[in-house]
Amino acid sequence: DQQVKQNSPSLSVQEGRISILNCDYTNSMFDYFLWYKKYPAEGPTFLISISSIKDKNEDGRFTVFLNKSAKHLSLHIVPSQPGDSAVYFCAAPGGGADGLTFGKGTHLIIQP
Amino acid sequence: GAVVSQHPSRVICKSGTSVKIECRSLDFQATTMFWYRQFPKQSLMLMATSNEGSKATYEQGVEKDKFLINHASLTLSTLTVTSAHPEDSSFYICSASPRTGYNQPQHFGDGTRLSIL
Repeated sequence: DQQVKQNSPSLSVQEGRISILNCDYTNSMFDYFLWYKKYPAEGPTFLISISSIKDKNEDGRFTVFLNKSAKHLSLHIVPSQPGDSAVYFCAAPGGGADGLTFGKGTHLIIQP
Repeated sequence: GAVVSQHPSRVICKSGTSVKIECRSLDFQATTMFWYRQFPKQSLMLMATSNEGSKATYEQGVEKDKFLINHASLTLSTLTVTSAHPEDSSFYICSASPRTGYNQPQHFGDGTRLSIL
């Protein structure tokens, strides 16, 4: 069963507008979440994270919101830029040792 | 910043061949590295945790005799897909972190696209 779910395979947003990527999780033991960004032919790169003791973490244009009661988190990118076009993965530590459990990813397309 | 190098980036070979994939941490030491696999339109799935100087820990459903992991030094882990078959065709990717702890972001290699004919 999928413990981390990204239900939108793709999202198209106009340049300059806000991009909102969503992620749901089922395992209430998860207490830390990460967002990774992946370009074609490259490995994922870490973007931003949030601990369950917080409900918001902001880093420049990127903000992650966590709603523990709903087991939902979202990544906001504002303003969206062409270089933001990539696949975004939501992840949580929950594999062996510190291994990560990933969602399927959302392909964000920023249109000029 | 921390860099993880993975080699080769792409392999195409015949069924029955064994394929070795290398994962190196270039500017830090990693006692633990992770191996993931991604099938088309699926998420990255953790296969195993590679532990320097000891046996790897495999996730449920991953055959340890099929996917041999060796972590001989603090900067190198290898994954060998033994007697590969078409169903092993996938995207394999490794990760490592300079620091231990579940809240330490992993740094990923660029992955290996394995195609078995």
